[in-house]
Amino acid sequence: DAGVIQSPRHEVTEMGQEVTLRCKPISGHNSLFWYRQTMMRGLELLIYFNNNVPIDDSGMPEDRFSAKMPNASFSTLKIQPSEPRDSAVYFCASSWGQGSGNEQFFGPGTRLTVL
Amino acid sequence: AQTVTQSQPEMSVQEAETVTLSCTYDTSESNYYLFWYKQPPSRQMILVIRQEAYKQQNATENRFSVNFQKAAKSFSLKISDSQLGDTAMYFCAFMRGSSGNTPLVFGKGTRLSVIA
Repeated sequence: DAGVIQSPRHEVTEMGQEVTLRCKPISGHNSLFWYRQTMMRGLELLIYFNNNVPIDDSGMPEDRFSAKMPNASFSTLKIQPSEPRDSAVYFCASSWGQGSGNEQFFGPGTRLTVL
Repeated sequence: AQTVTQSQPEMSVQEAETVTLSCTYDTSESNYYLFWYKQPPSRQMILVIRQEAYKQQNATENRFSVNFQKAAKSFSLKISDSQLGDTAMYFCAFMRGSSGNTPLVFGKGTRLSVIA
């Protein structure tokens, strides 16, 4: 299995531009999580989906952030317009849904730099 | 809301020695899971060990073991026979138990350096 795939691995953009981060979860997993990692705040949840349905988006910082999961094999996280304070590493993780307490498998992350 | 606290921002250990990383958490949940994740310089998040709160027996995975003290809400990680490849950030994480998957709540991490 290829694991969780994220693209791009690195993104450098200018303030005000639209940024789209992409994630392909492990085949068969039905839960998908978006986390953000910064020095100041550590790792924090942005949003998660179960069976393609958003369950909790309370971690999304503001309306500039949006996430979609149109099918079981693809999710996007969009920032429009981007700001320098959005600079961080964004991780996507997926897990299998039977029972609870299942391991979350992380992608390699996307390092976003907003100038 | 749950919180996870790692009180040691940085630690170092000599190769082949044993080191213990501390973690405490706060929750009112009775059903939950605890994890330790490792993040090496490659930044890949890797599961080290997992503990179900309802199990009294401490989890072990080869050189890694935990000391789970439920009443004290403590979940420390012991690494035996430390190796240079153990150098990484280590994150303690809490997951609420549910009929489906729920998110991880992470501590701020402990940076571990293994010295030759």
